[in-house]
Amino acid sequence: DGGITQSPKYLFRKEGQNVTLSCEQNLNHDAMYWYRQDPGQGLRLIYYSQIVNDFQKGDIAEGYSVSREKKESFPLTVTSAQKNPTAFYLCASSDGQGLSQPQHFGDGTRLSIL
Amino acid sequence: DQQVKQNSPSLSVQEGRISILNCDYTNSMFDYFLWYKKYPAEGPTFLISISSIKDKNEDGRFTVFLNKSAKHLSLHIVPSQPGDSAVYFCAASVWAAGNKLTFGGGTRVLVKP
Repeated sequence: DGGITQSPKYLFRKEGQNVTLSCEQNLNHDAMYWYRQDPGQGLRLIYYSQIVNDFQKGDIAEGYSVSREKKESFPLTVTSAQKNPTAFYLCASSDGQGLSQPQHFGDGTRLSIL
Repeated sequence: DQQVKQNSPSLSVQEGRISILNCDYTNSMFDYFLWYKKYPAEGPTFLISISSIKDKNEDGRFTVFLNKSAKHLSLHIVPSQPGDSAVYFCAASVWAAGNKLTFGGGTRVLVKP
């Protein structure tokens, strides 16, 4: 079955640590996205990539980094510079570059600070 | 500055009746609008979309209406079913800006049997 796989489902981070969230898709989609959801709020865009080896900052990129070395993978690193990392992180992908296509989401990773 | 707003945080409706969810936006450059449904601890599921060249799009029990002059869109669910109980998000994007979505804050729908 085609889809988007995010791992792990739950992640705990100690103060000062970097952690990396995995996102893999087998939909052959060109574009991939990372969003953050805080309780009772909508999703906010962290980073997005429309093509391999290229990515752009979203609305809340500070304290995060990404890479896009393969079409199917778009890992997100939450660095120690992100002061409030506790949130639900969602990865999405869509077909086409800049075209109006719906984004399809993974089931998310919940990150908590120990 | 919230560019997409869902002013009703929650909605309760009887099974079989119509659910109407509303969404307002401020950015006149938005030209593609979507509705997503989300259950707790899961990713959003795409429901239906509409481009700015249309004012209505229908898919089964779901219909989205777009009023560009009022910068307003709505989602109608008819008839509502208990399985429709979830949080619904509207989202908008600008075609020329790479399909980046701006989301509203969500409306929690409860369908009572």
